[in-house]
Amino acid sequence: NAGVTQTPKFQVLKTGQSMTLQCAQDMNHEYMSWYRQDPGMGLRLIHYSVGAGITDQGEVPNGYNVSRSTTEDFPLRLLSAAPSQTSVYFCASSLTPTGSDYGYTFGSGTRLTVV
Amino acid sequence: AQKITQTQPGMFVQEKEAVTLDCTYDTSDPSYGLFWYKQPSSGEMIFLIYQGSYDQQNATEGRYSLNFQKARKSANLVISASQLGDSAMYFCAMRPRGTGRRALTFGSGTRLQVQP
Repeated sequence: NAGVTQTPKFQVLKTGQSMTLQCAQDMNHEYMSWYRQDPGMGLRLIHYSVGAGITDQGEVPNGYNVSRSTTEDFPLRLLSAAPSQTSVYFCASSLTPTGSDYGYTFGSGTRLTVV
Repeated sequence: AQKITQTQPGMFVQEKEAVTLDCTYDTSDPSYGLFWYKQPSSGEMIFLIYQGSYDQQNATEGRYSLNFQKARKSANLVISASQLGDSAMYFCAMRPRGTGRRALTFGSGTRLQVQP
């Protein structure tokens, strides 16, 4: 089924470890973004991309890297995991940057725990 | 900068009744879009409805409607004929339609519980 696929769904890391959260979409969407959701809060933007080869920082970018080599994939890398990065991570994509009537399609999320 | 405020941390409603979830926003952008998302206990984010700031009519999608009052900077979600499956977190979000940072700014959410 078309949509946004995130892997893994769950992950436990030790402090200082690095890892990559994967995000792929098969809808030919130009716009992709990563959010984190902490308990009792809405989603906050980490990084976003408006097309292959173009990325920019969001509201909370520190400790994370992204790249966009293809339209389909937008991986999020944690450089050196910290307990403060324990959160649920969502990847989202949109046909147009404005979203408009199509909204933003979200992946099912990755629940990350850093111990 | 943009800000979304949802002042109702939790709401209860009886099945088959209508409920309004409040959302106010603040932005200096002249053109923007407003969104509502539903997040059930399973965790996924489900797009419900969109309203453009220059749309003349309030948006509707099935049992969902958006009560958009631009002068008051409010974009309340109305759910008619509530169902048990409507129990979830609901998030209001917005983004500017111009160039620049193209991302959604979310409110803190409202947890809706539908009672039989």
